[in-house]
Amino acid sequence: RKEVEQDPGPFNVPEGATVAFNCTYSNSASQSFFWYRQDCRKEPKLLMSVYSSGNEDGRFTAQLNRASQYISLLIRDSKLSDSATYLCVVKATSGTYKYIFGTGTRLKVLA
Amino acid sequence: GAVVSQHPSRVICKSGTSVKIECRSLDFQATTMFWYRQFPKQSLMLMATSNEGSKATYEQGVEKDKFLINHASLTLSTLTVTSAHPEDSSFYICSAREWGGSYNEQFFGPGTRLTVL
Repeated sequence: RKEVEQDPGPFNVPEGATVAFNCTYSNSASQSFFWYRQDCRKEPKLLMSVYSSGNEDGRFTAQLNRASQYISLLIRDSKLSDSATYLCVVKATSGTYKYIFGTGTRLKVLA
Repeated sequence: GAVVSQHPSRVICKSGTSVKIECRSLDFQATTMFWYRQFPKQSLMLMATSNEGSKATYEQGVEKDKFLINHASLTLSTLTVTSAHPEDSSFYICSAREWGGSYNEQFFGPGTRLTVL
C-alpha cells in the first residue's frame, strides 16, 4: 500500500463548479499535512497546510480526519486558473523533516 | 519569501557523461536541503536529505555512488548524476529548509529537467 494515495483523475469540471479531492495516508503517526499545487513541468507550490480543526483560505477548504487517515481539499467556484495537479503531502513522524508526496490529482477546469 | 534557485533548468547530455545540478537558497541559510526526482505522471520521490557539512542520507534504492551530493555551505547543495543513462532522464527538484525556520516549511526550487540521450 502506498504511503499517500490519491485518485489521479483527471477531474474535468466547468467553471464555477465545486470540486473535492481526497487523500489517504497509511502512517497513523504522521504529524503534518499539506496540499501543494503543481503546474505542468513546474515545481510544486504550497497551497495550504491542513489543520485538525479544518481550515479555509478563500475558495479553498482543507479538512483532516485523523481517525480515518484522510485529508480533503474542496475548491469552490472553480476558475480556469485552478487547472493543475494537486499534491497531497504528509510529513512523516516527528524528528524528521521528510515529506511524502501523493501522486497528485489532475484538475481541468473547462470554460 | 524564501527563494530557491536551481541551475541549470534544463540539460541534455550523452549517455555515460556526468551532470552537476546546483541548488541555492538565495535569501536564507538552509540547514537542510532535499533532492527529489519526478518521472512523468508520477509523484515526487525523495532521493536524499543533505545537511550542511555532513554526508547526505540516501533513501532506500538510491545509489549514493551514482548520485553524489555535496552540501558544502549553508546556501548551496549540488547533485551530480555520474555516468548518466537514459533511465536517469527525469525532473530533479531540490528543496531547502531554513535554519531556525518553521519546522514544517520547505521551499522548492524550480527544478532541472535532465534528458540523457
